[in-house]
Amino acid sequence: DIQMTQSPSSVSASVGDRVTITCRASQGISSWLAWYQQKPGKAPKLLIYGASSLQSGVPSRFSGSGSGTEFTLTISSLQPEDFATYYCQQANSFPYTFGQGTEVDIK
Amino acid sequence: QVQLQESGPGLVKPSQTLSLTCTVSGGSINTGNYYWSWIRQSAGKGLEWIGRIFTNGNSDYNPSLKSRVTMSVDTSKNQFSLKLSSVSAADTAVYYCATDLGGSYRGWGQGTLLTVSS
Repeated sequence: DIQMTQSPSSVSASVGDRVTITCRASQGISSWLAWYQQKPGKAPKLLIYGASSLQSGVPSRFSGSGSGTEFTLTISSLQPEDFATYYCQQANSFPYTFGQGTEVDIK
Repeated sequence: QVQLQESGPGLVKPSQTLSLTCTVSGGSINTGNYYWSWIRQSAGKGLEWIGRIFTNGNSDYNPSLKSRVTMSVDTSKNQFSLKLSSVSAADTAVYYCATDLGGSYRGWGQGTLLTVSS
């Protein structure tokens, strides 16, 4: 299985901050990477697919980059509604696997 | 965009078979290029991909669960289903159904909590 490792595990930030989350794959996955946002008690929500394509309806302050084994999710200016847990997921090979999550909370 | 809704028993005894159904609304399960997927989330293992099925019956399962998983599609009811046999406490989780397009999940059900306990 491909292991997905996110860092940091948690980050404390303020409204307006730039936040960057990293996801590393244990082997190359080309651009087969997605990012999700999850709030407590809710299902994950797709933000980014194909490593850098913004899902329809997602604010442009979210962006993704990377290929191969290293990827980043950037929130350019953190908004109150962005406090949540973020997950990466690879779709290069079965079984699809997820990172362990990064919690973004209020400083 | 289609809406998804999971349904299931909530509580299952160890060694029994879990059955969950996902009802698709707002569109036909036959339209588009979606794979219909199951994902679960537990405190211990995080998000775990269980598998997926296409409307022609083609399916892919997580090897760690493959011996216990069966998925099916009922196009007449616009539903797809998951059966997981020989459950144990390790299968306690929130189970989500989701639409897989190109390997990413654009639509999700709200999730259903399954507890395995005697």
